[in-house]
Amino acid sequence: SYDLTQPPSVSVSPGQTASITCSGDKLGDKYVSWYQQKPGQSPVMVIYQDAKRPSGIPERLSGSNSGNTATLTISGTQAMDEAEYYCQAWDDRVVFGGGTKLTVL
Amino acid sequence: QITLKESGPTLVKPTQTLTLTCTFSGFSLSTREVGVGWIRQPPGKALEWLALIYWNDDKRYSPSLKSRLTITKDTSKNQVVLTMTNMDPVDTATYYCAHNPETEYFDSWGQGTLVTVSS
Repeated sequence: SYDLTQPPSVSVSPGQTASITCSGDKLGDKYVSWYQQKPGQSPVMVIYQDAKRPSGIPERLSGSNSGNTATLTISGTQAMDEAEYYCQAWDDRVVFGGGTKLTVL
Repeated sequence: QITLKESGPTLVKPTQTLTLTCTFSGFSLSTREVGVGWIRQPPGKALEWLALIYWNDDKRYSPSLKSRLTITKDTSKNQVVLTMTNMDPVDTATYYCAHNPETEYFDSWGQGTLVTVSS
C-alpha cells in the first residue's frame, strides 16, 4: 500500500515561514493536495495539483512537489493559520497523510 | 455554490449496518469527471478515505475496508449513499462526504456527521 508521511507537529513564530512536508515514494510523479482543518470544522482544501490555490486562499500559502517530498509553505504565518494540515495524493486510490499540527507560538 | 450534507444515524450497535446519505447541490453527478467521496475521521485522529463514486458509476474503495463498503448514487436525487456492514466501536468517527471535480482532490466538504458505535 502507498503511504504518505507527515511530521506530527510543526511550530512557528508569528510572521515567520512554516514548512510542512509530506513524503511518499516517487510522490513527485503524483498530484498532491493539502487540506487545513481547524478544531470542530470540516477540512478545507488550500492547495491542489501540487501548487494551485483555490479562490479565497491567501497567497502566503504555497505548495511544491518534487522527488519524494511535497511541501506546504506558509509565509508570514498568522495566528489564524494554526490548524491541522493533511496532504493527500492519488495512487489508484485516495491516500491521506497522517496530519501535521501547526502551532503558531 | 457547491454544498454537501451528510445524514444518517448518530448511534449504531456493533454488528449492525450503517447507511449514510450525502445530499448535494451545486453540481451534477452526471457531469463528466465528477465524483463524490466518503472520508471518515475518528475522534482526535487522521482523515481516512473510504470510497469514491464517479459520474460514470465507476467505484473505488479503500482496500482495507472494501469487503464492508458499498457506495451508490441516485443522480436524479443528487444523493450518494454509503453502506458499511458489521460496524464495530473502532468505526466510531465523523463521516464526511466531499466533491471530487477531478480524480486528485476534494474541493468541497460536507459538515460531517458523527457516528458512534456502541451497545
